[in-house]
Amino acid sequence: GQNIDQPTEMTATEGAIVQINCTYQTSGFNGLFWYQQHAGEAPTFLSYNVLDGLEEKGRFSSFLSRSKGYSYLLLKELQMKDSASYLCAVRGGKAAGNKLTFGGGTRVLVKP
Amino acid sequence: NAGVTQTPKFQVLKTGQSMTLQCAQDMNHEYMSWYRQDPGMGLRLIHYSVGAGITDQGEVPNGYNVSRSTTEDFPLRLLSAAPSQTSVYFCASSPDPPLGYTFGSGTRLTVV
Repeated sequence: GQNIDQPTEMTATEGAIVQINCTYQTSGFNGLFWYQQHAGEAPTFLSYNVLDGLEEKGRFSSFLSRSKGYSYLLLKELQMKDSASYLCAVRGGKAAGNKLTFGGGTRVLVKP
Repeated sequence: NAGVTQTPKFQVLKTGQSMTLQCAQDMNHEYMSWYRQDPGMGLRLIHYSVGAGITDQGEVPNGYNVSRSTTEDFPLRLLSAAPSQTSVYFCASSPDPPLGYTFGSGTRLTVV
C-alpha cells in the first residue's frame, strides 16, 4: 500500500521562503510529483522527481531522497498568489498501473 | 486543443439516482484516472485505465463503475447515489510514460 504524509497547513510572509516536507512509504516507486491547487480549482503540475537530488524551476524547487522516502518543495520569494494547497503524490510502478497516490495536501497561507 | 474536459461542472442528485460523469481528453493519452476530493482528505483514486479496454480499481471503487471503449473517453458511472458520494470529482490523464498528469476542471456533485 501507499502512505504519504505532509503537514496540514503552513503560514509564511510575502517574500519569504517556505519548505513543505513529504514523507512516503510505498510498495513501489516510480516518481514523485508536486501539484498546486488553488481553492475551487483543479490541481496543476509543478514538478517531478524520479532520481535523488534537487530540481529547480524558477521560484520553485523540489528535492527527493529515495533511500529516506522523503521529498520537499521549496517556494522562494513568496507571493500572495502562492496561497494554495500543495499536493505531494507518488507514482507506483508499471505493474501497479502507474497509479498516482496523493497525500492530504498542505495549505499554505501567505500573509502580507 | 481542449485538454481534459469534464461534464457536468455541477450536479445535484437524489439518493438512489444514477448518473454518468463524462471525461474526455484530446491529447491521445493512454492513462486516465478518476479521483474524488473531500475536505481534508486529499485526492483518492476511484478507478483508473492504462489504455482502451483496460480498467482497474483504485482505493475507493465501491459504488462506481467505469469503462474505456476509446482512448479519448473515460466515463464514471454512479450506480445508486448515496450522500457519502457528495464530493468533487476530478478526471486526469497522462501519456505513457506518465511524466505529468493533466486534470480536468472537476465536477461538484451533491447527493441529497
